[in-house]
Amino acid sequence: AQTVTQSQPEMSVQEAETVTLSCTYDTSENNYYLFWYKQPPSRQMILVIRQEAYKQQNATENRFSVNFQKAAKSFSLKISDSQLGDTAMYFCATGSSNTGKLIFGQGTTLQVKP
Amino acid sequence: EAQVTQNPRYLITVTGKKLTVTCSQNMNHEYMSWYRQDPGLGLRQIYYSMNVEVTDKGDVPEGYKVSRKEKRNFPLILESPSPNQTSLYFCASRQYGLQETQYFGPGTRLLVL
Repeated sequence: AQTVTQSQPEMSVQEAETVTLSCTYDTSENNYYLFWYKQPPSRQMILVIRQEAYKQQNATENRFSVNFQKAAKSFSLKISDSQLGDTAMYFCATGSSNTGKLIFGQGTTLQVKP
Repeated sequence: EAQVTQNPRYLITVTGKKLTVTCSQNMNHEYMSWYRQDPGLGLRQIYYSMNVEVTDKGDVPEGYKVSRKEKRNFPLILESPSPNQTSLYFCASRQYGLQETQYFGPGTRLLVL
């Protein structure tokens, strides 16, 4: 079975600073993907970044980057130069390439302070 | 515009009164799924469908039904809603394969009294 754990229910960061959100996972799959989704107050689910497990290079998308530690089953999200619009709940998720199913973590609420 | 639509967006109902939440996508996606979001639990998959007439249970299917008669539509049916089904529901779709981007609907907030 796959599980995803986000141990930080809430975090805050000052505008323009850097923050890292933690995520650990467990899976017996050999071929899987990892994701970070953002859910702003509008409740819309927005894909932030995606990592293929067989790729060792960490994925980046503008100010968002991940630190993927496959052996440790860790997948943290770093947000650089935080902006007020980054205030949201962030979900880590893993997906099985066999079933296509996504398993989500509990979520981390991030508040960016001016 | 590529999108997933859900209706209704908000619904208050009473225990036992059957209801249907519709979901439609305009991207010709094969894979569709329903999730529920509850505080402290994240999103959990209820049902999914890999194509027309192909559906399967997710992690929390009890009390729910789905159907996939057309590729674009994937309704979620609560035959006899109970208060523990009060939640935020999301429909999602994508082409099959996790390398494909999954699109989420705007969510349906359901309150069962």
